[in-house]
Amino acid sequence: EVQLLESGGGLVQPGGSLRLSCAASGFTFSSYAMSWVRQAPGKGLDWVSGISDSGGGTYYADSVKGRFTISRDNSKSTLYVQMNSLRAEDTAVYYCAKGSTAGIYVDENFDYWGQGTLVTVSS
Amino acid sequence: DIQMTQSPSSLSASVGDRVTITCRASQSIASYLNWYQQKPGRAPKLLIYAASNLQSGVPSRFSGSGSGTDFTLTISSLQPEDFATYYCQQSYSTPRTFGQGTKVEIK
Repeated sequence: EVQLLESGGGLVQPGGSLRLSCAASGFTFSSYAMSWVRQAPGKGLDWVSGISDSGGGTYYADSVKGRFTISRDNSKSTLYVQMNSLRAEDTAVYYCAKGSTAGIYVDENFDYWGQGTLVTVSS
Repeated sequence: DIQMTQSPSSLSASVGDRVTITCRASQSIASYLNWYQQKPGRAPKLLIYAASNLQSGVPSRFSGSGSGTDFTLTISSLQPEDFATYYCQQSYSTPRTFGQGTKVEIK
């Protein structure tokens, strides 16, 4: 059974930093791309960042480019996102999502999702 | 970036109704369109991938169609467990983008 378990969320002040983790199990983690998708309270889904199976390809939404860094440790089956210079508008539930392909390809879909971790940016 | 626009934003329907949700892309995305269902407090769930392919385990009352810029998600006979918010998402290019969502409510 595929499981994705996010952790690391919490309350942080504007300008602060936070690192989220997503521990994966039930599939060959090193064979699939992964993404972070967020959802602000009461709002829709917003793709944040994606990373290829090897970690050699990384992609970001313009809204987080230069502030967030996605990475993965295939030996630990864990996905990360380092979030710096946080803003109030980054407040959201952050989901990790398993891609259906090895890379960020056109036929990718998000076939499994974690339950999310809440990040609140407020003073 | 490719903009995804869903309509309607919300709808009210009764159990047994046929429901259709549309999704329009701001440019052609071929068939690289996925649909997700999200219930309150829960993670999204993949329903349809590549415009018309039913994800394993998803009931056959769900179907998808379309290509290019215009897509539809159809629920042939709405069931109580189908009341949720539905999102389309394009995988043609990065950044991946989602529609704003369609909330299906009980009439």
